[in-house]
Amino acid sequence: DQQVKQNSPSLSVQEGRISILNCDYTNSMFDYFLWYKKYPAEGPTFLISISSIKDKNEDGRFTVFLNKSAKHLSLHIVPSQPGDSAVYFCAASPTFGNEKLTFGTGTRLTIIP
Amino acid sequence: NAGVTQTPKFQVLKTGQSMTLQCAQDMNHNSMYWYRQDPGMGLRLIYYSASEGTTDKGEVPNGYNVSRLNKREFSLRLESAAPSQTSVYFCASSDGWGQGWGEQYFGPGTRLTVT
Repeated sequence: DQQVKQNSPSLSVQEGRISILNCDYTNSMFDYFLWYKKYPAEGPTFLISISSIKDKNEDGRFTVFLNKSAKHLSLHIVPSQPGDSAVYFCAASPTFGNEKLTFGTGTRLTIIP
Repeated sequence: NAGVTQTPKFQVLKTGQSMTLQCAQDMNHNSMYWYRQDPGMGLRLIYYSASEGTTDKGEVPNGYNVSRLNKREFSLRLESAAPSQTSVYFCASSDGWGQGWGEQYFGPGTRLTVT
Protein backbone atom coordinates (compact mmCIF):
# COMPACT_ATOMS: atom_id res chain seq x y z
CA ASP A 1 0.00 0.00 0.00
CA GLN A 2 1.81 3.07 -1.30
CA GLN A 3 0.99 5.90 1.08
CA VAL A 4 3.01 8.47 -0.84
CA LYS A 5 2.65 8.41 -4.61
CA GLN A 6 4.51 10.11 -7.40
CA ASN A 7 2.52 9.13 -10.45
CA SER A 8 4.92 10.54 -13.04
CA PRO A 9 8.06 8.39 -13.27
CA SER A 10 9.70 10.94 -15.57
CA LEU A 11 9.40 14.52 -16.74
CA SER A 12 11.29 16.51 -19.39
CA VAL A 13 11.39 20.31 -19.30
CA GLN A 14 13.12 22.90 -21.43
CA GLU A 15 15.88 24.88 -19.72
CA GLY A 16 14.55 28.17 -18.34
CA ARG A 17 10.95 26.94 -18.08
CA ILE A 18 9.07 25.86 -14.96
CA SER A 19 9.30 22.27 -13.71
CA ILE A 20 6.35 21.01 -11.68
CA LEU A 21 6.68 17.74 -9.80
CA ASN A 22 3.64 16.27 -8.10
CA CYS A 23 3.07 14.06 -5.10
CA ASP A 24 -0.10 12.63 -3.56
CA TYR A 25 -0.53 10.97 -0.19
CA THR A 26 -3.25 8.90 1.39
CA ASN A 27 -2.44 8.98 5.12
CA SER A 28 -4.24 11.92 6.75
CA MET A 29 -1.87 11.63 9.72
CA PHE A 30 1.02 12.97 7.66
CA ASP A 31 1.92 16.38 8.96
CA TYR A 32 5.29 17.27 7.52
CA PHE A 33 6.51 16.91 3.96
CA LEU A 34 9.94 17.04 2.37
CA TRP A 35 11.51 16.90 -1.07
CA TYR A 36 14.82 15.21 -1.74
CA LYS A 37 16.96 15.29 -4.85
CA LYS A 38 19.15 12.41 -5.96
CA TYR A 39 21.94 12.27 -8.53
CA PRO A 40 23.14 8.88 -9.87
CA ALA A 41 25.53 7.00 -7.58
CA GLU A 42 24.93 9.48 -4.74
CA GLY A 43 22.67 9.55 -1.71
CA PRO A 44 19.57 11.77 -1.69
CA THR A 45 20.03 15.35 -0.49
CA PHE A 46 17.41 17.44 1.26
CA LEU A 47 15.87 20.17 -0.86
CA ILE A 48 12.90 21.82 0.86
CA SER A 49 10.18 21.01 3.38
CA ILE A 50 6.75 22.20 4.46
CA SER A 51 4.66 21.79 7.56
CA SER A 52 0.93 21.19 7.34
CA ILE A 53 0.25 24.55 9.00
CA LYS A 54 1.50 26.24 5.82
CA ASP A 55 0.39 25.97 2.23
CA LYS A 56 3.56 27.32 0.61
CA ASN A 57 7.27 27.44 1.30
CA GLU A 58 9.92 29.06 -0.89
CA ASP A 59 13.66 28.69 -1.07
CA GLY A 60 15.27 30.45 -4.00
CA ARG A 61 14.17 28.77 -7.24
CA PHE A 62 12.27 26.07 -5.35
CA THR A 63 8.71 26.39 -4.03
CA VAL A 64 6.64 23.67 -2.44
CA PHE A 65 2.85 23.93 -2.33
CA LEU A 66 0.64 21.88 -0.04
CA ASN A 67 -3.08 21.28 -0.51
CA LYS A 68 -4.15 19.34 2.59
CA SER A 69 -7.76 18.89 1.55
CA ALA A 70 -6.64 17.25 -1.69
CA LYS A 71 -3.72 15.45 0.01
CA HIS A 72 -1.46 16.82 -2.70
CA LEU A 73 1.84 18.62 -2.78
CA SER A 74 3.91 19.93 -5.63
CA LEU A 75 7.44 21.20 -6.16
CA HIS A 76 7.98 24.08 -8.56
CA ILE A 77 11.43 24.86 -9.94
CA VAL A 78 11.75 28.21 -11.70
CA PRO A 79 13.73 28.69 -13.85
CA SER A 80 14.85 25.11 -14.53
CA GLN A 81 18.57 24.59 -15.04
CA PRO A 82 20.56 21.64 -16.45
CA GLY A 83 21.93 20.89 -12.97
CA ASP A 84 18.36 20.22 -11.82
CA SER A 85 18.33 16.98 -13.82
CA ALA A 86 18.00 14.34 -11.12
CA VAL A 87 15.47 12.05 -9.44
CA TYR A 88 13.18 13.85 -7.00
CA PHE A 89 11.56 12.07 -4.07
CA CYS A 90 8.80 13.44 -1.92
CA ALA A 91 8.59 12.18 1.64
CA ALA A 92 6.10 12.52 4.47
CA SER A 93 6.09 12.12 8.21
CA PRO A 94 3.31 11.85 10.78
CA THR A 95 2.90 14.20 13.71
CA PHE A 96 5.76 16.52 14.56
CA GLY A 97 8.63 14.78 16.31
CA ASN A 98 8.29 11.49 14.47
CA GLU A 99 11.28 11.03 12.26
CA LYS A 100 10.08 8.03 10.29
CA LEU A 101 9.80 9.19 6.71
CA THR A 102 7.69 7.50 4.05
CA PHE A 103 9.08 8.13 0.58
CA GLY A 104 7.41 8.24 -2.79
CA THR A 105 8.76 6.29 -5.75
CA GLY A 106 10.51 9.25 -7.34
CA THR A 107 10.26 11.32 -10.54
CA ARG A 108 13.21 11.56 -12.91
CA LEU A 109 13.49 15.15 -14.11
CA THR A 110 15.47 15.86 -17.28
CA ILE A 111 16.20 19.46 -18.22
CA ILE A 112 16.71 19.89 -21.95
CA PRO A 113 19.30 22.57 -22.84
CA ASN B 1 33.66 16.92 7.93
CA ALA B 2 32.87 13.77 5.94
CA GLY B 3 29.12 13.67 6.77
CA VAL B 4 27.76 10.12 6.45
CA THR B 5 30.14 7.43 5.22
CA GLN B 6 29.27 3.88 4.20
CA THR B 7 31.42 0.83 3.53
CA PRO B 8 31.67 -1.04 1.28
CA LYS B 9 30.49 0.77 -1.87
CA PHE B 10 29.85 -2.46 -3.77
CA GLN B 11 29.43 -6.07 -2.66
CA VAL B 12 28.50 -9.34 -4.32
CA LEU B 13 27.33 -12.19 -2.09
CA LYS B 14 26.21 -15.72 -2.71
CA THR B 15 22.87 -16.85 -1.30
CA GLY B 16 23.26 -17.80 2.34
CA GLN B 17 26.38 -15.73 3.01
CA SER B 18 26.40 -13.10 5.70
CA MET B 19 27.81 -9.59 5.77
CA THR B 20 27.69 -6.34 7.69
CA LEU B 21 27.23 -2.93 6.12
CA GLN B 22 28.96 -0.19 8.06
CA CYS B 23 27.80 3.39 8.51
CA ALA B 24 29.32 6.29 10.43
CA GLN B 25 28.41 9.95 10.80
CA ASP B 26 30.49 12.82 12.17
CA MET B 27 27.69 15.38 12.64
CA ASN B 28 26.88 14.39 16.25
CA HIS B 29 23.36 13.39 15.20
CA ASN B 30 21.19 11.39 17.54
CA SER B 31 19.15 9.53 14.94
CA MET B 32 20.37 7.10 12.30
CA TYR B 33 18.55 5.08 9.66
CA TRP B 34 18.94 2.29 7.15
CA TYR B 35 16.97 2.34 3.89
CA ARG B 36 16.89 0.20 0.81
CA GLN B 37 16.10 1.49 -2.66
CA ASP B 38 14.66 -0.78 -5.30
CA PRO B 39 13.52 0.16 -8.82
CA GLY B 40 9.97 1.54 -8.76
CA MET B 41 9.78 1.31 -4.96
CA GLY B 42 11.41 4.48 -3.71
CA LEU B 43 13.30 4.32 -0.42
CA ARG B 44 11.96 2.01 2.26
CA LEU B 45 12.99 2.18 5.90
CA ILE B 46 14.56 -1.01 7.23
CA TYR B 47 15.54 0.00 10.77
CA TYR B 48 16.22 3.19 12.61
CA SER B 49 17.81 4.29 15.86
CA ALA B 50 16.49 7.38 17.62
CA SER B 51 19.43 7.48 20.01
CA GLU B 52 22.42 5.48 21.12
CA GLY B 53 21.27 2.19 22.59
CA THR B 54 17.85 2.12 20.92
CA THR B 55 16.71 0.59 17.65
CA ASP B 56 13.29 0.16 16.07
CA LYS B 57 11.88 -1.65 13.06
CA GLY B 58 10.88 0.18 9.95
CA GLU B 59 8.76 -0.91 7.02
CA VAL B 60 10.90 -3.86 5.79
CA PRO B 61 12.98 -5.29 8.68
CA ASN B 62 12.76 -9.01 7.87
CA GLY B 63 16.12 -10.61 7.15
CA TYR B 64 18.12 -7.80 8.75
CA ASN B 65 19.61 -6.95 12.12
CA VAL B 66 21.14 -3.69 13.28
CA SER B 67 23.55 -2.50 15.94
CA ARG B 68 23.94 1.05 17.17
CA LEU B 69 27.52 0.66 18.29
CA ASN B 70 27.86 4.20 19.62
CA LYS B 71 26.54 7.63 18.69
CA ARG B 72 28.57 7.69 15.47
CA GLU B 73 28.10 4.18 14.09
CA PHE B 74 25.08 2.16 12.98
CA SER B 75 25.61 -1.18 11.23
CA LEU B 76 23.25 -3.36 9.23
CA ARG B 77 23.73 -7.12 9.16
CA LEU B 78 22.42 -9.68 6.71
CA GLU B 79 22.72 -13.07 8.43
CA SER B 80 21.78 -15.22 5.45
CA ALA B 81 21.59 -13.22 2.25
CA ALA B 82 18.81 -13.90 -0.26
CA PRO B 83 18.44 -12.70 -3.88
CA SER B 84 15.47 -10.56 -2.73
CA GLN B 85 17.98 -8.49 -0.74
CA THR B 86 19.70 -7.32 -3.90
CA SER B 87 19.32 -3.56 -3.60
CA VAL B 88 21.05 -0.26 -2.96
CA TYR B 89 21.33 0.42 0.76
CA PHE B 90 21.50 3.92 2.18
CA CYS B 91 22.39 5.00 5.67
CA ALA B 92 21.16 8.37 6.92
CA SER B 93 21.34 10.49 10.06
CA SER B 94 19.39 13.43 11.43
CA ASP B 95 19.34 15.84 14.31
CA GLY B 96 15.76 15.13 15.31
CA TRP B 97 14.26 17.99 17.28
CA GLY B 98 15.75 21.38 16.74
CA GLN B 99 17.31 22.83 13.66
CA GLY B 100 16.64 20.93 10.48
CA TRP B 101 14.04 18.61 11.97
CA GLY B 102 13.17 15.86 9.57
CA GLU B 103 16.12 16.66 7.34
CA GLN B 104 18.07 13.47 6.96
CA TYR B 105 21.59 13.39 5.62
CA PHE B 106 22.37 10.38 3.44
CA GLY B 107 25.50 8.43 2.73
CA PRO B 108 26.53 7.52 -0.83
CA GLY B 109 25.02 4.03 -0.68
CA THR B 110 26.14 0.40 -0.90
CA ARG B 111 25.16 -1.53 -4.00
CA LEU B 112 24.59 -5.14 -2.97
CA THR B 113 24.01 -8.04 -5.35
CA VAL B 114 23.05 -11.48 -4.05
CA THR B 115 23.42 -14.31 -6.56
